Amino acid sequence: DTVMTQSPASLAVSLGERATINCKSSQSIIDRSDNKNYLAWYQQKPGQPPKLLIYWASTRESGVPDRFSGSGSGTDFTLTISSPQAEDVAVYYCQQYYSTPVTFGQGTKVEIK
Amino acid sequence: EVQLVQSGAEVKKPGESLKISCKGSGYSFTSYWIGWVRQMPGKGLEWMGIIYPGDSDTRYSPSFQGQVTISADKSISTAYLQWSSLKASDTAMYYCASHGSSSSLHYFDYWGQGTLVTVSS
Repeated sequence: DTVMTQSPASLAVSLGERATINCKSSQSIIDRSDNKNYLAWYQQKPGQPPKLLIYWASTRESGVPDRFSGSGSGTDFTLTISSPQAEDVAVYYCQQYYSTPVTFGQGTKVEIK
Repeated sequence: EVQLVQSGAEVKKPGESLKISCKGSGYSFTSYWIGWVRQMPGKGLEWMGIIYPGDSDTRYSPSFQGQVTISADKSISTAYLQWSSLKASDTAMYYCASHGSSSSLHYFDYWGQGTLVTVSS
């Protein structure tokens, strides 16, 4: 299985302070035939199902605020929240869909100071 | 609007069987993969497996192969996850989720609300 490792496990940021979440895969998840990274990011708020934020490592899902951005390639990826708002308090997960089984990172909890 | 509506919470005893459901609407049910994701209490997300209702092509994570059965009834646009003999360790929230890619491996655009399964003697 491809192991997805997120860091940090949790972070507390002030309103407006940039938040950065890292995700590392145990093997490359880029398909050289189409140069796409098979990496998605989800947001899960308490008591809710996950919500898709980012796919193909950097494509924002429709309706997702532009303060959320994804970057990276190969094995190292980052989700950035440029200016976190109170409603961004949640757990964030990365997911690889390059190989079976699909695997998720263990999650990063974001809190506001 | 794509919607996935899951069956309600269940409380079962160890050894009992269970089948939970996920009804799709607002899209062509036979053209989207539907997967199941487990979330144990306070833990992360685990991909269990996925089915393509159009031809019942089903894939399982090795961790869940033989432990659960995924099926679908396209006549009523409903996917299922079932256990023949529950264990306490099956206590979790179970989400169905779907995508419209031709590949079984894809991100999930749409999610059900979740079904909480509690297994306790």
